[in-house]
Amino acid sequence: RKEVEQDPGPFNVPEGATVAFNCTYSNSASQSFFWYRQDCRKEPKLLMSVYSSGNEDGRFTAQLNRASQYISLLIRDSKLSDSATYLCVVSRDDKIIFGKGTRLHILP
Amino acid sequence: DADVTQTPRNRITKTGKRIMLECSQTKGHDRMYWYRQDPGLGLRLIYYSFDVKDINKGEISDGYSVSRQAQAKFSLSLESAIPNQTALYFCATSPMTSGTYNEQFFGPGTRLTVL
Repeated sequence: RKEVEQDPGPFNVPEGATVAFNCTYSNSASQSFFWYRQDCRKEPKLLMSVYSSGNEDGRFTAQLNRASQYISLLIRDSKLSDSATYLCVVSRDDKIIFGKGTRLHILP
Repeated sequence: DADVTQTPRNRITKTGKRIMLECSQTKGHDRMYWYRQDPGLGLRLIYYSFDVKDINKGEISDGYSVSRQAQAKFSLSLESAIPNQTALYFCATSPMTSGTYNEQFFGPGTRLTVL
């Protein structure tokens, strides 16, 4: 089993809709969790950290479920500019593992 | 100005050639990383360095070497390039914090093609 797994997509979603995707991790000792966004042919950039209590940043909400070992990202009122690949990142100690990403296409 | 820069941005070379990719940062971070990204395989760590005297192999270090010339500079070398090293290469930095992961800041990437 891969250490970090994501549905590669693509998720094709109409503008204004809500979309959610998950990322599962296999190592229960994982300590920190993040979502990065990567536009086509560009570098990844941090979207948000994921805290145990869940956290929200505008239209974006991230949740962590340690019991089931997954993190989620919810995007409300999706915009065309949300089209990108979303990378799940899990770390423990000094080891950092990137998921392969989930592609999201927002349709006009 | 970009905080993490990579040179060159694009490079086409032939099998067997030695190639050096360079990364510089003005963020003052101690930690620097080299990744490659291939379609369908995601980001894979090649080498990382936590300070000037520290070099560590990542997941896929074979065929690569690195040099940390200064806190701000971390270069990646392909001693004898082969076609399956064709990929998008990213340098990244992060601040040093004991035992925890901090946000990584990526350079714009170098697209390398080995013919």
